Amino acid sequence: KAGVTQTPRYLIKTRGQQVTLSCSPISGHRSVSWYQQTPGQGLQFLFEYFSETQRNKGNFPGRFSGRQFSNSRSEMNVSTLELGDSALYLCASSLARGSPKAFFGQGTRLTVV
Amino acid sequence: DQQVKQNSPSLSVQEGRISILNCDYTNSMFDYFLWYKKYPAEGPTFLISISSIKDKNEDGRFTVFLNKSAKHLSLHIVPSQPGDSAVYFCAASASKTGANNLFFGTGTRLTVIP
Repeated sequence: KAGVTQTPRYLIKTRGQQVTLSCSPISGHRSVSWYQQTPGQGLQFLFEYFSETQRNKGNFPGRFSGRQFSNSRSEMNVSTLELGDSALYLCASSLARGSPKAFFGQGTRLTVV
Repeated sequence: DQQVKQNSPSLSVQEGRISILNCDYTNSMFDYFLWYKKYPAEGPTFLISISSIKDKNEDGRFTVFLNKSAKHLSLHIVPSQPGDSAVYFCAASASKTGANNLFFGTGTRLTVIP
């Protein structure tokens, strides 16, 4: 089985721009969660999607949003980028809701300049 | 408020010896625990997990122990190998709520010395 695929791997954006990151979960997995990793805050939960609906949200501003498609693929979007949004963004794939065993993609390294 | 804590930022162990990584949690709702291994600029790799109905789970060289009364878990790696050198994260989930979000500790950097 293919693992979790995230694209792109690296991205450089300017302050004020917006960015869209993509995640394809493991085949058959229907739950997708997003995490942000920064040196100062560690790994923090952004949101979880299941059946095309956001089920759970972490403590992040509304500039961070996401969506899930009928094939379980997910995108996250960050608008009006700030320097502090520079981070490794990780997508995690789980079989279903209430199934917390998660497998992570390689991540997207976002740098905001 | 850090609900999952890994109080040792780093650990060095000789090759062939046992590595013991520790993790504490505060939330009584957590019922599922996981350990991940991570290299810089890569995603975490799942190692082993344990449900709160068990107190031990073993997979090859990796064993996780859970002490619910102390809200403590540990990962034992025996024998340690140089390829085990990485940052190890402990994570917890309140799976009975239906939510899949994981709460992570701050990580412990393990160095296995050849």
